[in-house]
Amino acid sequence: DAGVIQSPRHEVTEMGQEVTLRCKPISGHDYLFWYRQTMMRGLELLIYFNNNVPIDDSGMPEDRFSAKMPNASFSTLKIQPSEPRDSAVYFCASNTGRANEQFFGPGTRLTVL
Amino acid sequence: GQQVMQIPQYQHVQEGEDFTTYCNSSTTLSNIQWYKQRPGGHPVFLIQLVKSGEVKKQKRLTFQFGEAKKNSSLHITATQTTDVGTYFCAGWGGNKLVFGAGTILRVKS
Repeated sequence: DAGVIQSPRHEVTEMGQEVTLRCKPISGHDYLFWYRQTMMRGLELLIYFNNNVPIDDSGMPEDRFSAKMPNASFSTLKIQPSEPRDSAVYFCASNTGRANEQFFGPGTRLTVL
Repeated sequence: GQQVMQIPQYQHVQEGEDFTTYCNSSTTLSNIQWYKQRPGGHPVFLIQLVKSGEVKKQKRLTFQFGEAKKNSSLHITATQTTDVGTYFCAGWGGNKLVFGAGTILRVKS
């Protein structure tokens, strides 16, 4: 099993640009989670999906952030426009039941200049 | 809102010494999970506790879930250099999943 796949692994962009992060969950997992990790705020749950439907997006910081899951094998997290304070590591995770163990991807390190 | 406090924030121990990290929730949790994140890596699941007062062991690691299901601890006996990393607790309270801030463990050999 390839595990959770995220791309890109690193992204450097300028303030105001649109950023799209991608995630492929483990096959057969019906829950997908997006997290943001910073030194200041730790690991924060942004949004999670069940069977491709967003269940709780209360962690999404503001309207500049949006997430989609068009099918069971793909999800995107988009930031438009990006700001320097969005710089962080973004993790995607998946599992087979909301409260079960989560399998994290390697993360995308985003730097907004 | 729901919060999970984790202490200490940082601990530096001599190899062979014991280590403990604690999590306390403001609300009752349905379960609690523990994850380990190596420097530069991603969180990796260690264990899940569900029952009140539950204790589980994995080799040198001992995990406890409090009777009121509001606190938990992870104890490592005789730390090794391979134990370095950040240890997180995470709990579901209602429909909210909250992670503790993590305890960074450094081990001097």
